[in-house]
Amino acid sequence: AQSVTQLGSHVSVSEGALVLLRCNYSSSVPPYLFWYVQYPNQGLQLLLKYTSAATLVKGINGFEAEFKKSETSFHLTKPSAHMSDAAEYFCAVSASFGNEKLTFGTGTRLTIIP
Amino acid sequence: ETGVTQSPTHLIKTRGQQVTLRCSSQSGHNTVSWYQQALGQGPQFIFQYYREEENGRGNFPPRFSGLQFPNYSSELNVNALELDDSALYLCASSRRSSSGGGSYNEQFFGPGTRLTVL
Repeated sequence: AQSVTQLGSHVSVSEGALVLLRCNYSSSVPPYLFWYVQYPNQGLQLLLKYTSAATLVKGINGFEAEFKKSETSFHLTKPSAHMSDAAEYFCAVSASFGNEKLTFGTGTRLTIIP
Repeated sequence: ETGVTQSPTHLIKTRGQQVTLRCSSQSGHNTVSWYQQALGQGPQFIFQYYREEENGRGNFPPRFSGLQFPNYSSELNVNALELDDSALYLCASSRRSSSGGGSYNEQFFGPGTRLTVL
């Protein structure tokens, strides 16, 4: 079975500061990992995905994540936060690449301080 | 290209009632998945339909059932509603090729239906 743990249900950063959202995974098979963003009253939007190719994955809106097998981590980062980044972020895992059944973490609410 | 749409956007029911939620898949998509997102939680997988057949189910009781129609739109039905069923229900559609794996079938999520059970 696969699972993900997101450390920190709320994260606040100043505008222009580094964004770091943490995700650790547990999987009995090589995982496929995802980060989604959810804006208020909207569905989920895929930010980026890890597909066992490059360990550093670049996504939309300047976000990137690095897969570290030794640490079972897939943390999401952005060098400089914008006000528009304020949202809920979810890490998710899938057992296989073609399998759309996702297991999500509990989410991290990102607040940007002006 | 039309995205994933869901109806209604909000719904209020009382305990014991039945509810039907609807999802229109993105054009060309043949797979739909339903998720339940309780307040303050991540989405939980309910079940998935591929070409009108159930293709996997999460840890939800049988009173949660679904349908996928020939046009790949979908319904989620919940019978005997309980207070804990109050949540945002999300559907997500994707296009799976008949040859199976080898490429990621990105899911596109709808905006959800907010169900409140009183």
